[in-house]
Amino acid sequence: DAKTTQPNSMESNEEEPVHLPCNHSTISGTDYIHWYRQLPSQGPEYVIHGLTSNVNNRMASLAIAEDRKSSTLILHRATLRDAAVYYCILRRDSGAGSYQLTFGKGTKLSVIP
Amino acid sequence: DTAVSQTPKYLVTQMGNDKSIKCEQNLGHDTMYWYKQDSKKFLKIMFSYNNKELIINETVPNRFSPKSPDKAHLNLHINSLELGDSAVYFCASSPWAGGETQYFGPGTRLLVL
Repeated sequence: DAKTTQPNSMESNEEEPVHLPCNHSTISGTDYIHWYRQLPSQGPEYVIHGLTSNVNNRMASLAIAEDRKSSTLILHRATLRDAAVYYCILRRDSGAGSYQLTFGKGTKLSVIP
Repeated sequence: DTAVSQTPKYLVTQMGNDKSIKCEQNLGHDTMYWYKQDSKKFLKIMFSYNNKELIINETVPNRFSPKSPDKAHLNLHINSLELGDSAVYFCASSPWAGGETQYFGPGTRLLVL
């Protein structure tokens, strides 16, 4: 399985932008980059995903390097509710049109009031 | 409205017992999953069903048996519980097997004594 590397933890001040990095140097051409987050005592929650181009949605932006070996999740204004573990995942096709998500350790984001 | 629900939320039981965890989704999705999150917080996929058919079956002991009576339900039965089965079990669903987003339930916290 293609692996991702993320910092164990990061801190941000409330209402400031946060850039969460992810390295995936063994990514293959068909792997999608997914980001999920897990708030304390909750199930993971989808954040954003992309293949080659940068992506924006109401929650965040995803910046993908031109060689696709790294990506950055951008939270434009961190709130206390954004404190969570953020997972960068390469979506690998399992065959028969299905796919599986392989979660790593993720980055624990702390937001300081 | 709860999208993906699991029962029970907490489960404390003795070694050797048999227990079941139930999962229901009201999103009309075709595909459902079971994940296990261990004490080190690693989240690993166990099974996936698409339209009641098993499509992903990771290396999981035979004591774990998923059952999908219809595509809105995916239950997990565990025989002869062991201490190492203590974990948080998450159910998830996606619109189809190749669907881009998985929606997770709140988790079932299983403690085996």
